[in-house]
Amino acid sequence: GAGVSQSPSNKVTEKGKDVELRCDPISGHTALYWYRQSLGQGLEFLIYFQGNSAPDKSGLPSDRFSAERTGGSVSTLTIQRTQQEDSAVYLCASSLVGGGQQPQHFGDGTRLSIL
Amino acid sequence: RKEVEQDPGPFNVPEGATVAFNCTYSNSASQSFFWYRQDCRKEPKLLMSVYSSGNEDGRFTAQLNRASQYISLLIRDSKLSDSATYLCVVNMGSNAGKSTFGDGTTLTVKP
Repeated sequence: GAGVSQSPSNKVTEKGKDVELRCDPISGHTALYWYRQSLGQGLEFLIYFQGNSAPDKSGLPSDRFSAERTGGSVSTLTIQRTQQEDSAVYLCASSLVGGGQQPQHFGDGTRLSIL
Repeated sequence: RKEVEQDPGPFNVPEGATVAFNCTYSNSASQSFFWYRQDCRKEPKLLMSVYSSGNEDGRFTAQLNRASQYISLLIRDSKLSDSATYLCVVNMGSNAGKSTFGDGTTLTVKP
């Protein structure tokens, strides 16, 4: 499809395991964003990519979280040694260009549950 | 104080009512603004951009007040399908990639 694609849709894993979440942005979109949202809460910014660079990673909650983007396209968000408080919906968005002048388009999200 | 603040509601209105939400922002250098809607357990979807002169899209009107640092969303003739959470988004502009989302205002339109 033409939208932002995220995989997996749902992920259940045991505490302490590593997880990798994937985001395929809209073709041609240079900016990519990761957010997470806990149930009933607002969006929490994690990291922003412009091309393959991450000029703003201020939202990553700890060093267990990392993200990369390759080829100016696909991005992966990795959470190492997962904790129960990592359980949330992880949302990816892309925009034509960075800087906030263009609206962001969201994927359906990955619902992560840590047992 | 949060960078972007919204009244969480909930706003409960009857069908056909007019309802308005405000969103205040703290950084006077903010340059671009949007309204999104988010349905329960779904991703946010762009509703409309907010332009300096105000803009309208059907039953929806968005306005920006730079002097008082708020944006507003007016919904006329509310429909049941308007029930959702409405998020305002504020961006700093070309040198800052991060968008700041408000926590949202919940609207329930009742028959």
